[in-house]
Amino acid sequence: AQSVTQLDSHVSVSEGTPVLLRCNYSSSYSPSLFWYVQHPNKGLQLLLKYTSAATLVKGINGFEAEFKKSETSFHLTKPSAHMSDAAEYFCVVTSNTGNQFYFGTGTSLTVIP
Amino acid sequence: EPEVTQTPSHQVTQMGQEVILRCVPISNHLYFYWYRQILGQKVEFLVSFYNNEISEKSEIFDDQFSVERPDGSNFTLKIRSTKLEDSAMYFCASSEYYLGDFYEQYFGPGTRLTVT
Repeated sequence: AQSVTQLDSHVSVSEGTPVLLRCNYSSSYSPSLFWYVQHPNKGLQLLLKYTSAATLVKGINGFEAEFKKSETSFHLTKPSAHMSDAAEYFCVVTSNTGNQFYFGTGTSLTVIP
Repeated sequence: EPEVTQTPSHQVTQMGQEVILRCVPISNHLYFYWYRQILGQKVEFLVSFYNNEISEKSEIFDDQFSVERPDGSNFTLKIRSTKLEDSAMYFCASSEYYLGDFYEQYFGPGTRLTVT
């Protein structure tokens, strides 16, 4: 069975400092993994995806994530937080057919001026 | 940039009533999905739809739910007789499909359904 655990329900950082949002997955096959972001009253927007190519994946807005199979992790990072990064972030793993997405519970990121 | 749209943004209905949630997927996409998020809980998969039929569905998607692509552009989710526990945010998504690869799903802004 596939599942995703987002280790922090809420993360607070100061503007200009690094961001780390943690995600661990469980899968019985080689998964595809995604990070989505949701700003208030907006749809879910894709930040980046891993689909068995390079293990370090770069996404939009300066975010990146590293797939570590040995640690079953796919943590999201950004070197310097911006006020506009404040949002809810979801780590997602696909089913083996790719048709179902399994979401984590989300991490709410607050950026302090 | 193309986007998935959903209407209405908020729907209030009484228990036992039928509701239809509407979605317009991105025009060249072939796969369509519905998810729901009960307040404070995870986003949960309901159903995927391809080539005018259901591709996969979850345990949540029981006989009270149905999906349809009535006219080649809209994709609808019908709940036949709503229950209080159907209150949630419902997200529509669509994706391209390429054999042997998994493409990202593009999500709409959601419809908040409130059952009273």
